[in-house]
Order: sequence, then C-alpha cells, then structure tokens
Amino acid sequence: ETGVTQTPRHLVMGMTNKKSLKCEQHLGHNAMYWYKQSAKKPLELMFVYNFKEQTENNSVPSRFSPECPNSSHLFLHLHTLQPEDSALYLCASSQGIRLGAFFGQGTRLTVV
Amino acid sequence: GQQLNQSPQSMFIQEGEDVSMNCTSSSIFNTWLWYKQDPGEGPVLLIALYKAGELTSNGRLTAQFGITRKDSFLNISASIPSDVGIYFCAGPQGAQKLVFGQGTRLTINP
Repeated sequence: ETGVTQTPRHLVMGMTNKKSLKCEQHLGHNAMYWYKQSAKKPLELMFVYNFKEQTENNSVPSRFSPECPNSSHLFLHLHTLQPEDSALYLCASSQGIRLGAFFGQGTRLTVV
Repeated sequence: GQQLNQSPQSMFIQEGEDVSMNCTSSSIFNTWLWYKQDPGEGPVLLIALYKAGELTSNGRLTAQFGITRKDSFLNISASIPSDVGIYFCAGPQGAQKLVFGQGTRLTINP
C-alpha cells in the first residue's frame, strides 16, 4: 500500500457523538497535516505535525482534537460537532513544503 | 496572511479546446504548485515550479512561474473529458504551511 490513506471515506454523525478520523502515510514523510474543505471556500489548514510534534494550530475549535502517535499516523478526534462542521477533511503529508503536500482521498463528514 | 487569487473561477469549454488559468498574489512566492482535484477525491500534485520564468510541462499541461514571482499560469492543451475537475494553485507560507487559491472549476462539453 502506498501514498496517503484516510478512513473512513464517509461519516455521518450526530452532534453529541464522538468519532475519529484516521490517516496513514506510507511515503516516509516527516510532516502531516489536516485540512478542511468546505463548499466554495479555499482549503483551510487546521493542524501541522512535524516529527510527531504539533507545530501549528490554525485557531481550530477545541471540538477538533488531533493526535499524532508517530510520523506515519495522524488522527482527528471529533466531539460535539456542529452542522457547519460538515465538510471534506483532508489529510496530507510532506517531506519539505516546497516539494508539495500529498493528500489522501479525504473523509466526507456530515453532522446532523 | 498571503492570499492567492485564481482566475477564472469556472470555465465551460468544448472538448479539444485549450485552457488557460492563472493565479496571482500580492506577495512574492519562491515556489508555485498546481493541483487537480477530481470529485470526491483529494487534490493531486500536477506541477511544481521553483524559479522565476520557469516553464514546466507534464503531458498536455504546462505551467509557468511568473517573472514577478507574484503569479503563475497553467495551460491545458487539447482538453479531454478526464481533465474535468478543480485546479488549485498553492504556495508555501513560512516553513511548513501551504496556502491555496480558491480553485478554477473546469467543465468540458463533449
């Protein structure tokens, strides 16, 4: 298996639920990212991890909680989300930002 | 922070036509990246540019790093149905972040 893999691909959750998104990269990259993509808006960076350490939190609400146990895995824990949090959540990895970030297929999240 | 403006926001063309789109910024970039996103998928890196004036091709796609370092251009020649999607430009902001344009949505009429 190669590239960046995200699970699940689709998720529907209620506002009181707790769920987690998973990302795994097989590229040997040092940095991993969570992005949010809403309709008609540019990709929004949420979190950056570099060598398992969080180096960027782009003013993301605390109902989104990232976890990076190692350089290959990244999680996004979700709790008490709002309907406006419905979006495509994309994970990416990079070995130097000038080389570009490589994205997973995303998790389509719907909050009901 | 830096913002990237893409133009046009959407394009409707006939199969076989050439396509041109651009990306501009108010500040200088040292790298320009072009991505394509198919429906329901994540963005895929198409072309990376590192030097002002650089012209790089990837099949029917050609991208250029503007000489002012504040813009970049992407051209697609002889479009085919699988070119449909959203094209994003991106550039580094600091050491670890990428900033993205809002995208150009390409629709092709057969």
